[in-house]
Amino acid sequence: EVQLVESGGVVVQPGGSLRLSCAASGFTFDDYVIHWVRQAPGKGLEWVSLISWDGSSTYYADSVKGRFTISRDNNKNSLYLLQMNSLRVEDTALYYCASGRYSHGFDYWGQGTLVTVSS
Amino acid sequence: DVVMTQSPLSLPVTLGQSASISCRSSQSLVYSGGNSYLNWFHQRPGQSPRRLIYKASNRDSGVPDRFSGSGSGTDFTLKISRVEAEDVGVYYCMQGTHWPPFTFGQGTKLEIK
Repeated sequence: EVQLVESGGVVVQPGGSLRLSCAASGFTFDDYVIHWVRQAPGKGLEWVSLISWDGSSTYYADSVKGRFTISRDNNKNSLYLLQMNSLRVEDTALYYCASGRYSHGFDYWGQGTLVTVSS
Repeated sequence: DVVMTQSPLSLPVTLGQSASISCRSSQSLVYSGGNSYLNWFHQRPGQSPRRLIYKASNRDSGVPDRFSGSGSGTDFTLKISRVEAEDVGVYYCMQGTHWPPFTFGQGTKLEIK
């Protein structure tokens, strides 16, 4: 069974930085993608970023491009990171890790980790 | 970017009755091979989203057959027959044909009358 476990969400000041982690396990296929999707309090879902299973391909929403970086931990192959810099109040959200065999799949979701950007 | 528009945004339903949610995209979602990469998700209060339907009409494993998806091109529908109490929450459509970015609808909140 595929499991996705997010961690790293905290309260941070505007302009600060934060790194989220997504630990992925249980895949029965060799290739998959990892997405970050966020949900501001009381709002809908917003796609943030995508990385291929081997880290070779990455994509970003315009709202985070240049500030967020998605990567795969070189020492732990199934650990995916979202480095968040220059944080803004509007980045406050529950950040979900989602995955699937295909980019359009979003088959599996984690429980989310809460990021609060506030002074 | 492809804009996904859902209607209605609020859907009060009597237990046992049927419900229907519409999702329209600003561009055709048909990809090569004729598939439309349109997913439907259900999010119960306090829970993560769960995918119900993929490629417009394919039901995920474990999803009751009361749920069905239809449509192609720019017009899609999620139908729930015989609504049960566990069906409350917010339903989202999402397109995966023209990316990045992947885009979601605004969400439709289903509640029991």
